[in-house]
Parts: sequence; C-alpha cells; structure tokens
Amino acid sequence: NAGVTQTPKFRVLKTGQSMTLLCAQDMNHEYMYWYRQDPGMGLRLIHYSVGEGTTAKGEVPDGYNVSRLKKQNFLLGLESAAPSQTSVYFCASSYSPPQGWGSFTEAFFGQGTRLTVV
Amino acid sequence: KQEVTQIPAALSVPEGENLVLNCSFTDSAIYNLQWFRQDPGKGLTSLLLIQSSQREQTSGRLNASLDKSSGRSTLYIAASQPGDSATYLCAVWYSGGGADGLTFGKGTHLIIQP
Repeated sequence: NAGVTQTPKFRVLKTGQSMTLLCAQDMNHEYMYWYRQDPGMGLRLIHYSVGEGTTAKGEVPDGYNVSRLKKQNFLLGLESAAPSQTSVYFCASSYSPPQGWGSFTEAFFGQGTRLTVV
Repeated sequence: KQEVTQIPAALSVPEGENLVLNCSFTDSAIYNLQWFRQDPGKGLTSLLLIQSSQREQTSGRLNASLDKSSGRSTLYIAASQPGDSATYLCAVWYSGGGADGLTFGKGTHLIIQP
C-alpha cells in the first residue's frame, strides 16, 4: 500500500551543494509532478512529466532539473542549492491526464521532503 | 493565469457544527477540481474529485459542489469532529500557459473545538 514515496524526508544543505530528491510510485501512473510549498504562497508546480522519458517546466522551474528515466521514478535535482530553495517539496502522480476520464485523473501525493538550505 | 482563492483562510468552530468551505477560481476552463486535506507536517490526502461535467460529489460526511460557470466550489462538512481539524486545500486541473498540473488555493485552516 505504498502509493507515492519520497526520499529523503528531511535534509539540510549548505548553499552551493547539490542533491537529488527521489519520488517513486507503484500505481503505474503516467503523469508525475513536483511541487513546492511555501508559507503564504501555497503549492506551486516546479516540473512535471507526462510519461517515461518526458519532462516539462511548470510555474517555478528555475534552479531545478528533473529526469524520468523509468516510469515509476521522477527525480528532482538541485545543482547549486540556494536559501530561496528552502521549502517543503511534494511529488504527485496521476494515471491519466487531467482532461482524461473520471477517477483516473485523481492526483495522489507523497508525504513531502522538508529541505533547508543554510 | 488561473488563480484559486479560498475563503475563509482560517475557521474555528465547536464540535458538531455543519460548516462550508469556499473555493473560487478565475478561469472556468477547468478539467476537474480536487479537494485535499493536509495535516501539520504531513502530505496531502485526496478527499474528493469533481469532474467539470459534474455538479457534486459525496464521501461520508463530506459533500463538494462545483459551479463551473461561476467559478465556485464548496466543501460541506457535516457534524464536524475534532479529527476534522486540518488545512483543506482546493485545487483545479487547468491547462494554460504551457503547464499541465494542479493550481492550488492557499487553504482554509480548520480547527474543531472539542
């Protein structure tokens, strides 16, 4: 009953360090998303993927890169972390595109990764 | 650009009351709308999904309605319980500006007093 799993759950980075956040889903979903959640800003879309081997930019993509080499995994990378990237990061997945059919468009979220950049 | 607004931002009521949370969106060209619950320090739990062609969805004590033409949705919680205390987020599936994904409101922080 795993659903969407994010690794790690917590991380502290120094400015300029790099890291990769891993998202794994076991629901055979085509669509995957990375969001960040900041106080007073709500959740904002960073990048998304509509299938294995594809990626696309969301609302706030600068400073992040992503890869979807396997259908079940979606990686979010920070090449040179900045204090402005301190946030809670959420991964989500859905079976079909939002304009698709019925409950298959429902999005499921992971538990989040709390990242602090000092 | 799609904008989602949730009113009120915070709400505190005694246990047992029925309550309504409001969500409005600026662009009615949505595919569907999803309500989530978020507990402190936790992820998002999906509560209800309403497709753009539907008017409402029900799950237990929760009922969500959608008026796409006016850009509004409400989440009705019946007979509230302390365990309902959480932040409730409204989000719309919207394709615009070259990005596909959910656009979120900032949430309603709900406290149910025992």
